Amino acid sequence: AQSVAQPEDQVNVAEGNPLTVKCTYSVSGNPYLFWYVQYPNRGLQFLLKYITGDNLVKGSYGFEAEFNKSQTSFHLKKPSALVSDSALYFCAVRDVSSNTGKLIFGQGTTLQVKP
Amino acid sequence: KAGVTQTPRYLIKTRGQQVTLSCSPISGHRSVSWYQQTPGQGLQFLFEYFSETQRNKGNFPGRFSGRQFSNSRSEMNVSTLELGDSALYLCASSFRTQPEEGYTFGSGTRLTVV
Repeated sequence: AQSVAQPEDQVNVAEGNPLTVKCTYSVSGNPYLFWYVQYPNRGLQFLLKYITGDNLVKGSYGFEAEFNKSQTSFHLKKPSALVSDSALYFCAVRDVSSNTGKLIFGQGTTLQVKP
Repeated sequence: KAGVTQTPRYLIKTRGQQVTLSCSPISGHRSVSWYQQTPGQGLQFLFEYFSETQRNKGNFPGRFSGRQFSNSRSEMNVSTLELGDSALYLCASSFRTQPEEGYTFGSGTRLTVV
């Protein structure tokens, strides 16, 4: 069965410092991987995706993520955090071999960036 | 361009009632998916529709149903509401099913069951 794990409920980082939000996944085939961000009382906003190719993926607002097949991980990173990055972050996976667009989401990680 | 529009934004219903939520996808998008978000269970997949056909259904009771119209607008219905149905219901759309480009989500409908 497909699954996604975000091991940290909350990540705290000081403004200007690098941030990492962790994600590991499990699928039977090859994965499509996504990161979304959610601000209070809003829907999910797409940040970036990994489909194939380069393991380092660059996305919106300076975020990037590294796909590591051997560790089945897709950690979200940003070199310098902003207070405005504070939000709820979700990692999601879809099995490429499945005939559905269904996404499996992790439980979410709250990112708190302090000035 | 207009995003995914969900109506209403907020809804308060009483246990036992039924409710219908609406989702208008981005123009040209034919695939619509629904998710339920709760603090305890996180984001759970409800349904996926493409060209008026349900492609996939999540592990929810039969009280949860949906449909898609010829203009790609979708509705979901929950009958005999329970307190546990209180959640943020999110709709997402894309050009096609199994999109590589990802999904665009609406802002959601916050349903409170009292």
